[in-house]
Amino acid sequence: DQQVKQNSPSLSVQEGRISILNCDYTNSMFDYFLWYKKYPAEGPTFLISISSIKDKNEDGRFTVFLNKSAKHLSLHIVPSQPGDSAVYFCAASPGLYSGGYQKVTFGIGTKLQVIP
Amino acid sequence: NAGVTQTPKFRVLKTGQSMTLLCAQDMNHEYMYWYRQDPGMGLRLIHYSVGEGTTAKGEVPDGYNVSRLKKQNFLLGLESAAPSQTSVYFCASSSQTVPYEQYFGPGTRLTVT
Repeated sequence: DQQVKQNSPSLSVQEGRISILNCDYTNSMFDYFLWYKKYPAEGPTFLISISSIKDKNEDGRFTVFLNKSAKHLSLHIVPSQPGDSAVYFCAASPGLYSGGYQKVTFGIGTKLQVIP
Repeated sequence: NAGVTQTPKFRVLKTGQSMTLLCAQDMNHEYMYWYRQDPGMGLRLIHYSVGEGTTAKGEVPDGYNVSRLKKQNFLLGLESAAPSQTSVYFCASSSQTVPYEQYFGPGTRLTVT
């Protein structure tokens, strides 16, 4: 049972245009959402996150939008650059309400290619 | 700061052999994790640790053991390797205050023949 779904395995975008990566989740207990970026032969690196009390979080060229009613989040990259070419993982966690460790569930990733 | 380091980077084992993967972090993080990544699947948690001397099972723990004798190190052991354990293994760590923002190592590519 995939609780975090990234239905697009790959995406190609022209340099300078907007990249939109989508993610859906099924577990209503998820309270904190993250995006990780992964280059080949490297480990994932944390990119941006959003708490369920917000619907938008922005960090430079990266913006994450959260639609709780639709259980959907998206990552927007504007403008896209060739260096953004990587695999992007969506992830979700129940958060810290009960304290202690909370499992992070990852999607299978979307491979973004930014064409110069 | 080196962040999270993993050794070895690559390894080929024969079925039935054993090995230990070493993870080290220099960020004084309380939490450490071992994941495996397989084609078409997300990162799946094998085992994790919330502190020195403590470990717990993740979602795919069978065939693996772990130990965390020192806060900065987290070891993943395969006692009797099987072809199904062919994968890329990632170690990660995070602070207790922001546990879901995890820092990953570069990965170990393991092939079991």
